[in-house]
Amino acid sequence: ETGVTQTPRHLVMGMTNKKSLKCEQHLGHNAMYWYKQSAKKPLELMFVYNFKEQTENNSVPSRFSPECPNSSHLFLHLHTLQPEDSALYLCASSPSEGDKTEAFFGQGTRLTVV
Amino acid sequence: DAKTTQPPSMDCAEGRAANLPCNHSTISGNEYVYWYRQIHSQGPQYIIHGLKNNETNEMASLIITEDRKSSTLILPHATLRDTAVYYCIGPAGGTSYGKLTFGQGTILTVHP
Repeated sequence: ETGVTQTPRHLVMGMTNKKSLKCEQHLGHNAMYWYKQSAKKPLELMFVYNFKEQTENNSVPSRFSPECPNSSHLFLHLHTLQPEDSALYLCASSPSEGDKTEAFFGQGTRLTVV
Repeated sequence: DAKTTQPPSMDCAEGRAANLPCNHSTISGNEYVYWYRQIHSQGPQYIIHGLKNNETNEMASLIITEDRKSSTLILPHATLRDTAVYYCIGPAGGTSYGKLTFGQGTILTVHP
């Protein structure tokens, strides 16, 4: 248990569906992140949020839409995805300032697009 | 970003020390080296980090060379549950400590 909870753990969706991934942390962190891990590829950073504001978007297609309503919650809204978007989506949180320290990752959502 | 190089795979016998090397010759003077691991189909887990001094915690030890161009993660008594992909990461900078650039890492297999 890392303190970062992702739901659902598994998701199968059609290309015309709309779904959302949820991430929640109660570690008092002010930074939250979405990562994507495709099969046999390194983890790729998608989005960074600091104090609810998006500070980084790594050229992610608009069919992925993040939302950060408060520092404890992060969503990834999905629509009209492609089969190649099937991957493990990981959420992480960390402090935004202070001594150099670590990030905490959730268990991920295994997404399959059919 | 600091670029790191790791061997793709290593084996270790259970109960023995696992020594995982990492080269980070381009790391700058104020960049920390972080180690994370990822057990199959789980999220990455922080292990340890360091700047220039050797570090030890309940999970592992980190030995950083004096010139900071390389480091070694040591798991003193590897168990089967330590089988995972180990990532050596130079941070992407800034104050977002979760803004990490992952490479392919080292697949460590601990065998009985």
